[in-house]
Amino acid sequence: ILNVEQSPQSLHVQEGDSTNFTCSFPSSNFYALHWYRWETAKSPEALFVMTLNGDEKKKGRISATLNTKEGYSYLYIKGSQPEDSATYLCARRAYYPNTGNQFYFGTGTSLTVIP
Amino acid sequence: DVKVTQSSRYLVKRTGEKVFLECVQDMDHENMFWYRQDPGLGLRLIYFSYDVKMKEKGDIPEGYSVSREKKERFSLILESASTNQTSMYLCASREDSNQPQHFGDGTRLSIL
Repeated sequence: ILNVEQSPQSLHVQEGDSTNFTCSFPSSNFYALHWYRWETAKSPEALFVMTLNGDEKKKGRISATLNTKEGYSYLYIKGSQPEDSATYLCARRAYYPNTGNQFYFGTGTSLTVIP
Repeated sequence: DVKVTQSSRYLVKRTGEKVFLECVQDMDHENMFWYRQDPGLGLRLIYFSYDVKMKEKGDIPEGYSVSREKKERFSLILESASTNQTSMYLCASREDSNQPQHFGDGTRLSIL
């Protein structure tokens, strides 16, 4: 994987369903993985910053896991609610000796929760 | 809470105009960023700054310049606007490299 890839691109779920989506990234030069939630007409809001292989973070009904060796992170939403509808972005921070820190965003997963 | 304020939510300009997008943050962050968001593409970094009067090119700097005369303000300049610069522009700031970025609400810029 050369870039940060997110799947699926979009997702529609019923209220109360649990869901998850994936962020895949190059495992080399890894420094940190960020998750953001971007609601329509608002600014992206940081959810998690994850750095260590095996990290698990939780915020209410949302949780995330990180596998730096194989280069992926999962975001889980338990019991989806309409207010969870948003685009979920992940971003990989890498460090290169010549260029320093580089930050790459995925294209996002658009989640729609149907009441 | 960190507040990142972008001067305009919507902006319409003409081809060839010089366009200024302003961004102000209120948390004394040293790091500030300018991104553009286009359909089907992730947020792409245009320029960033780690300190006053300091700037670094991101992935797509062509056609843009920036100015950071004061710590709280980071301006993005389109020297001669073109239609392919029609996009959503997002400004962000960050305390240090271990912290997440805080974003403004975005400026939707249309170049006619």
